[in-house]
Amino acid sequence: DGGITQSPKYLFRKEGQNVTLSCEQNLNHDAMYWYRQDPGQGLRLIYYSQIVNDFQKGDIAEGYSVSREKKESFPLTVTSAQKNPTAFYLCASSGTGSRSYEQYFGPGTRLTVT
Amino acid sequence: AQKITQTQPGMFVQEKEAVTLDCTYDTSDPSYGLFWYKQPSSGEMIFLIYQGSYDQQNATEGRYSLNFQKARKSANLVISASQLGDSAMYFCAMREESAGGTSYGKLTFGQGTILTVHP
Repeated sequence: DGGITQSPKYLFRKEGQNVTLSCEQNLNHDAMYWYRQDPGQGLRLIYYSQIVNDFQKGDIAEGYSVSREKKESFPLTVTSAQKNPTAFYLCASSGTGSRSYEQYFGPGTRLTVT
Repeated sequence: AQKITQTQPGMFVQEKEAVTLDCTYDTSDPSYGLFWYKQPSSGEMIFLIYQGSYDQQNATEGRYSLNFQKARKSANLVISASQLGDSAMYFCAMREESAGGTSYGKLTFGQGTILTVHP
């Protein structure tokens, strides 16, 4: 089945540690995105990538880093510089071209940093 | 910059009744797309419906319809015949697009509305 995989579903880390969230898609989509969601809030864009080896900052990129070495994979690293890393992280992908409007989301990773 | 406003933090509806979830937007882009997503308590984001800014007719997808009023910059979601499984958070979102509907990708989301369906 085609879709987006995010692992793990729950992640716990100590403050000061970097942590990498994985995102894999087998939809052959060119574009991939990372969003952050805080309780009771909407999603905010962290980073996005429209092609391999290229990515752009979203609205809240500070304290995060990404890479896009393969079309299928778009890992997000939450660095120790991120002041409030505890949140729900959602990865998404979409095709490009006319009417490619649907953005598919993964199941998300809940990160708790203590 | 794009902005989405959802003014209803929570809505209640009786099972089998219709409900309207409000969404207003602000953008200077001449071409854009409007979306509604459903987020159950599990956290997954489920795409419901899409409306392009140049589409002449309001979008419909089964029990979902989008009441698009371009001059008022509103894109309200109408759910007909509500079901208990409709209880969830609902998000309105928008995206800049080219005139042909080509995506520039990134979505801007509103704060969401929690819908509760009573039996």
